[in-house]
Amino acid sequence: ILNVEQSPQSLHVQEGDSTNFTCSFPSSNFYALHWYRWETAKSPEALFVMTLNGDEKKKGRISATLNTKEGYSYLYIKGSQPEDSATYLCALYSGNYQLIWGAGTKLIIKP
Amino acid sequence: DSGVTQTPKHLITATGQRVTLRCSPRSGDLSVYWYQQSLDQGLQFLIQYYNGEERAKGNILERFSAQQFPDLHSELNLSSLELGDSALYFCASTKGGNSYEQYFGPGTRLTVT
Repeated sequence: ILNVEQSPQSLHVQEGDSTNFTCSFPSSNFYALHWYRWETAKSPEALFVMTLNGDEKKKGRISATLNTKEGYSYLYIKGSQPEDSATYLCALYSGNYQLIWGAGTKLIIKP
Repeated sequence: DSGVTQTPKHLITATGQRVTLRCSPRSGDLSVYWYQQSLDQGLQFLIQYYNGEERAKGNILERFSAQQFPDLHSELNLSSLELGDSALYFCASTKGGNSYEQYFGPGTRLTVT
């Protein structure tokens, strides 16, 4: 059974600080790794879909890297703002027509 | 606005009843996914359809069923409802398979009393 793990489970960060968290996954049969941001009372929103080892993607102050050989992806947020408070989910596609979702990292930005 | 619509927004019903949740994917998207989020739980994948055909099944109960129609909208049917079925049900769509980002609808909040 494939398992996608995210750490830490939750994170409190001071406004203005930068932060990062991890998504770990089995490195065999890798097709794609997704990142989503899920704000409270809203729907998950796609950030990135990464497919190549060494991929690095950026959207504003948020960026992500991918290492498929060792089975991890990092999500970085530079200069955290209150609007970054959300749960960040990663999901692995390793074939079999399903995404395997992590439990998420809950990020709380303290003003 | 993701372009995915779900109706109704809220639904309150009694145990033992049957309900139907509806989802319209983004224009041009062929795949529809259904997810359940129970209180304090993460996203649980239920089922996926691609261009009218079932593609993948997750932790979907036998009391639940779904279909995707020729116009690509999808319905999730929940029957013999139990208190534990109270949850937020999301629909998401993509243009193809799982290498494409999913666009989520606003969800349907189901409360079973």
